[in-house]
Amino acid sequence: EAGVVQSPRYKIIEKKQPVAFWCNPISGHNTLYWYLQNLGQGPELLIRYENEEAVDDSQLPKDRFSAERLKGVDSTLKIQPAELGDSAVYLCASSSYRGTNTGELFFGEGSRLTVL
Amino acid sequence: GENVEQHPSTLSVQEGDSAVIKCTYSDSASNYFPWYKQELGKRPQLIIDIRSNVGEKKDQRIAVTLNKTAKHFSLHITETQPEDSAVYFCAAFFQGGSEKLVFGKGTKLTVNP
Repeated sequence: EAGVVQSPRYKIIEKKQPVAFWCNPISGHNTLYWYLQNLGQGPELLIRYENEEAVDDSQLPKDRFSAERLKGVDSTLKIQPAELGDSAVYLCASSSYRGTNTGELFFGEGSRLTVL
Repeated sequence: GENVEQHPSTLSVQEGDSAVIKCTYSDSASNYFPWYKQELGKRPQLIIDIRSNVGEKKDQRIAVTLNKTAKHFSLHITETQPEDSAVYFCAAFFQGGSEKLVFGKGTKLTVNP
């Protein structure tokens, strides 16, 4: 079974440019997460989807970040415009658990963003 | 607020020794505590988890203990091997308001041959 797939794996852009990341979760997983991981830190939640609904986007900087999960499967995370401080790894994860129940999160390999 | 503290940030042991990583969490209502291992440049992967209705769980060389009263949980790795070298993250599932898994800052474990 394929795991969580993310692309691109690496992206280098200049500040003020836009960037988008794509995630394909494990088949059948209704819950999808985008996490931000700075160097030497643990993952920090940006947004959580249950199917196509964003049930927690309180940590998403909405002035420049946006996300969507059309049809409740694949998801994209966009940054526009990117700033130097956005350089990090963007991790996507999926889970078969929902709401107040939780269990194992399956992570993708991540998309490493470098903003110059 | 939702907070998970993890110690130590780095840990170096000799092969065959035991390693212990400790975490504390802020919300007494938290009920799920996983541990993830992340090798350099790789994805985090679950190695063991524990729910609040048990105090200890073992899986071969890995064990996790939970003290709900103290809001404290620990990862124990026995007979460490070089392939155990990685960054380990604890996490706690917070239920107040928005349900979310909050991660500690990680412990870089180095097992010296």
